[in-house]
Amino acid sequence: GDSVTQTEGLVTVTEGLPVKLNCTYQTTYLTIAFFWYVQYLNEAPQVLLKSSTDNKRTEHQGFHATLHKSSSSFHLQKSSAQLSDSALYYCALGNNYAQGLTFGLGTRVSVFP
Amino acid sequence: NTKITQSPRYLILGRANKSLECEQHLGHNAMYWYKQSAEKPPELMFLYNLKQLIRNETVPSRFIPECPDSSKLLLHISAVDPEDSAVYFCASSQARDWGGANTGQLYFGEGSKLTVL
Repeated sequence: GDSVTQTEGLVTVTEGLPVKLNCTYQTTYLTIAFFWYVQYLNEAPQVLLKSSTDNKRTEHQGFHATLHKSSSSFHLQKSSAQLSDSALYYCALGNNYAQGLTFGLGTRVSVFP
Repeated sequence: NTKITQSPRYLILGRANKSLECEQHLGHNAMYWYKQSAEKPPELMFLYNLKQLIRNETVPSRFIPECPDSSKLLLHISAVDPEDSAVYFCASSQARDWGGANTGQLYFGEGSKLTVL
């Protein structure tokens, strides 16, 4: 089956500095899609970024990620972290068999002034 | 997000029976129940595609899903256990349409927080 690995459980960053969250995956399917979900306190997960195209940069709300099938990665980055970015971030993988998404364990981001 | 509504939003139970309700107004053909325990990712419980239950995870038998029509989803819980304390999210997606990056994206409802005494 599919698996998604997020290596950092907690990332702390100073406001204005860059932040990077790692995501790697394993899958046996050829047709796949990737998502970054963000979950704020006491809210539901909501999609932040999505991609199914190899080597194409995807951007939204100052965040960006590029799917690299050669390295099985979909890292999330932002050049300047904001206090409002403090949240839980999940990397997720979907395949074309309508089995739902496979989530990583999540990375909590804490941005300090 | 008012496009997927869940009720009730909060419930506190002893060993009682209760049902969670969900309705989506996105025209999606797949609906899901996810369980999220504290500091853990959402875990898939049940998946309905066009009202057919096509994936049932190893969930305790006291959880019984029901899909009365393609836009509604119910989760019946009987004799809850303290380990059932969690937030239960309903979600939907447009499955089997892989023409672009929108496909397979899950849209979550606000969640129903269950506290078992």
